[in-house]
Amino acid sequence: EDKVVQSPLSLVVHEGDTVTLNCSYEVTNFRSLLWYKQEKKAPTFLFMLTSSGIEKKSGRLSSILDKKELFSILNITATQTGDSAVYLCAVEVAGNTGKLIFGQGTTLQVKP
Amino acid sequence: DAGITQSPRHKVTETGTPVTLRCHQTENHRYMYWYRQDPGHGLRLIHYSYGVKDTDKGEVSDGYSVSRSKTEDFLLTLESATSSQTSVYFCAISEMQGAINEQFFGPGTRLTVL
Repeated sequence: EDKVVQSPLSLVVHEGDTVTLNCSYEVTNFRSLLWYKQEKKAPTFLFMLTSSGIEKKSGRLSSILDKKELFSILNITATQTGDSAVYLCAVEVAGNTGKLIFGQGTTLQVKP
Repeated sequence: DAGITQSPRHKVTETGTPVTLRCHQTENHRYMYWYRQDPGHGLRLIHYSYGVKDTDKGEVSDGYSVSRSKTEDFLLTLESATSSQTSVYFCAISEMQGAINEQFFGPGTRLTVL
C-alpha cells in the first residue's frame, strides 16, 4: 500500500528559529513530490520536486528530495509568526491521473 | 488565485439524507479532484475526473459518487450521509501540463452529519 509519512506531527518554535520538516514515502510508481502550506483554509502550493539532490528555494523556504532514501525535507529559516500553518507533503503517482497521496501534515506554530 | 468555488461552504445535515456538494471552476482545467480532510489523516482522495463524463475512484470512495457533465462542474454526492462522513471537503483542479501537476484547491466545504 502506498503511503506518505510526515514528521514531526507538530512543532512549536520561536521566531528566528530554523525548522526542518520531514516527509518519507513508499509509493510504487513515483512521479514527483509536492509541498503545500495550509493556513486554516485551502492548501497553497510551495514546491514540486522530481529530481534527487536539486534544491528548490523560495525566500526562506527550501526543499530537497532524495529518491534513493525516499524522503524529502522542507527547511524554513528565520521563522516568522506568519509561517504558522500545516505543511503537507504529497507524492504524485505516475500515470496520467495526477493522483496525489498526502501525508498527515506537520502543524508548525511559531511563537513571537 | 485559481478560479475555484465550492458550494455550499457549510452544511449541517442528518444521517440518511442525500447531500450534493458542487465544485465550479473557471480555468477550463481538464482534471478535477475531490478530497476529504480529517484530523490525523491529511487529505485523502475520494474521486477524480480526467474529462467530461470520465471519472475514477480514489482511496476513500465508498459511500460517495461523482458526476461531471460539464468541464467546469464536478459534483460529489453522498447518497445517504453517515456521521463518519463529517469532514471538510476540498475540490482541486489541475491541467497536468507536461511534468507539472500543481493542483489548485478550492476554499473547502465543512459538512456535519448529525
